[in-house]
Amino acid sequence: GAGVSQSPSNKVTEKGKDVELRCDPISGHTALYWYRQRLGQGLEFLIYFQGNSAPDKSGLPSDRFSAERTGESVSTLTIQRTQQEDSAVYLCASSVDRGLVTQYFGPGTRLTVL
Amino acid sequence: GENVEQHPSTLSVQEGDSAVIKCTYSDSASNYFPWYKQELGKRPQLIIDIRSNVGEKKDQRIAVTLNKTAKHFSLHITETQPEDSAVYFCAASVMNDMRFGAGTRLTVKP
Repeated sequence: GAGVSQSPSNKVTEKGKDVELRCDPISGHTALYWYRQRLGQGLEFLIYFQGNSAPDKSGLPSDRFSAERTGESVSTLTIQRTQQEDSAVYLCASSVDRGLVTQYFGPGTRLTVL
Repeated sequence: GENVEQHPSTLSVQEGDSAVIKCTYSDSASNYFPWYKQELGKRPQLIIDIRSNVGEKKDQRIAVTLNKTAKHFSLHITETQPEDSAVYFCAASVMNDMRFGAGTRLTVKP
């Protein structure tokens, strides 16, 4: 079946602009995660959604970052007033709940802030 | 929350040799330990995982061991090949809260 998809694949923006990144999880996956990966670095947890529960926002680096998810469908990650240090690949992953926690990653969105 | 440490950060081996990557975790409640391989410019892909009720798991040239008492788990790759060159991430999970290690860049020299 279809895997996790993300759009756009690449985004170049000017400093100070807002950007919106989209993630389509695997159908039926109740858990959805956003990660940030800077060049040559590890996976930095940003936010986690589980069904209709309140999201775990503990990884968001500042109040310029926010994310939404409606039910068990699409999620959007919004970065307001982008800064050059926001440049990174933003990865989305989804997993099935009930103890099966293998995460399947999307291809990522490469964000470049000029 | 969970904290995962991974060593070494870089590892270079000769083709055919073995490679070992080690991780430690802090939350004793963690019960699921996956390993991901990320090739240059690609997404992380699950290569093997182990759950807390198992001490060792093997899949062809790849094996993972878990020591719950020491809160330590390791990835072993035998008979390494150039296509094993990638960044490897360990992770530890409590329910659906998964935290990753910083990654190990493995280079296999032909």
